[in-house]
Amino acid sequence: AQKVTQAQTEISVVEKEDVTLDCVYETRDTTYYLFWYKQPPSGELVFLIRRNSFDEQNEISGRYSWNFQKSTSSFNFTITASQVVDSAVYFCALSSTGANSKLTFGKGITLSVRP
Amino acid sequence: SAVISQKPSRDICQRGTSLTIQCQVDSQVTMMFWYRQQPGQSLTLIATANQGSEATYESGFVIDKFPISRPNLTFSTLTVSNMSPEDSSIYLCSVRRTGSDTQYFGPGTRLTVL
Repeated sequence: AQKVTQAQTEISVVEKEDVTLDCVYETRDTTYYLFWYKQPPSGELVFLIRRNSFDEQNEISGRYSWNFQKSTSSFNFTITASQVVDSAVYFCALSSTGANSKLTFGKGITLSVRP
Repeated sequence: SAVISQKPSRDICQRGTSLTIQCQVDSQVTMMFWYRQQPGQSLTLIATANQGSEATYESGFVIDKFPISRPNLTFSTLTVSNMSPEDSSIYLCSVRRTGSDTQYFGPGTRLTVL
């Protein structure tokens, strides 16, 4: 069975602070995908990134960066110089590869960025 | 990515009634999924809807309560039947294209059952 743990439930920071959202996963699959999604107050789920299990390179996209550590089964997400618009619920998710793969979500982290 | 729309965006319904939610995609996709997100909770997969076949339901979800249609490769509906207040949730559809491993989500339908 697959499992995603987001131990942090709520984080509050002041604008311009850096913040890291933690994600730990469990899977028996040798190949898999990891994802981060953002859910702003409007409710839609916005895709942020997909990482393949065989690619451990860290990725940076503007103020966002992701640290994938296969040895510790973690896929952490850092927002640099946070902004009020970053306030949302962030979900980490895991899926197998293949046509019938399904997403397993963590419980989500509510990030509040105060001006 | 894909452009996904859902109707209605929100609704308030009475106990015992049914609501059908529509999901429309701007291009043909193989896999469509329906999720439920109860207040303050994570997403739970209800079922996978493939065109031309019966939907595949996850444990805890049954066809009588959540009938799904998938008449073509760009459209699906989810009906929430005989609603109770416990059905108050956000219902989201998602799609995955052939050859892609990423699911993209619609804007969701906020359902409140009184």
